[in-house]
Amino acid sequence: GQQVMQIPQYQHVQEGEDFTTYCNSSTTLSNIQWYKQRPGGHPVFLIQLVKSGEVKKQKRLTFQFGEAKKNSSLHITATQTTDVGTYFCAGYGSSNTGKLIFGQGTTLQVKP
Amino acid sequence: DTGVSQDPRHKITKRGQNVTFRCDPISEHNRLYWYRQTLGQGPEFLTYFQNEAQLEKSRLLSDRFSAERPKGSFSTLEIQRTEQGDSAMYLCAAAELGELFFGEGSRLTVL
Repeated sequence: GQQVMQIPQYQHVQEGEDFTTYCNSSTTLSNIQWYKQRPGGHPVFLIQLVKSGEVKKQKRLTFQFGEAKKNSSLHITATQTTDVGTYFCAGYGSSNTGKLIFGQGTTLQVKP
Repeated sequence: DTGVSQDPRHKITKRGQNVTFRCDPISEHNRLYWYRQTLGQGPEFLTYFQNEAQLEKSRLLSDRFSAERPKGSFSTLEIQRTEQGDSAMYLCAAAELGELFFGEGSRLTVL
């Protein structure tokens, strides 16, 4: 079945450093979503990418969807302590399904 | 506040007991999802509904797990004969156009 994998599992950075998490799917995705989960909280939707090669920005966050629609990345520029949390990618398969599969997440720690 | 309510927020039970969780989603969101999440892992898909129809179930949803959404509004997830391995956070999410709105979750501890 469809699998979504993320690396790294953990990342510790100094405040102000950049951060990138990578997401890879075993199958082609119709679209990919990114969520953020703060410690003790629930996942919160960040963004959805649909087109091959699509790049979207949200302030210091840059999201990219690969040309083959099997991989994605999230890059944070100049991290802040408010960026702490776990970032998940999630994908719908290319077939007509509503089943959304999540990666295992990348947990970001930011040292002030 | 996502508008998705889950009850109870915490449940402690003894092994072998049955438990039921309830999810009340945003009324105009026709899709409803159940996920299970354990510490350090991503949400693990259990099942989803389109209105009252259960369209897909994970193999994780064994004979002991069942979910219903009788009128296309609220949903329940029942676990029968709980095992210690069922201890987890059970998350409900509502969706309309693909984006999921999660509730706060129901944390289950099986002793």
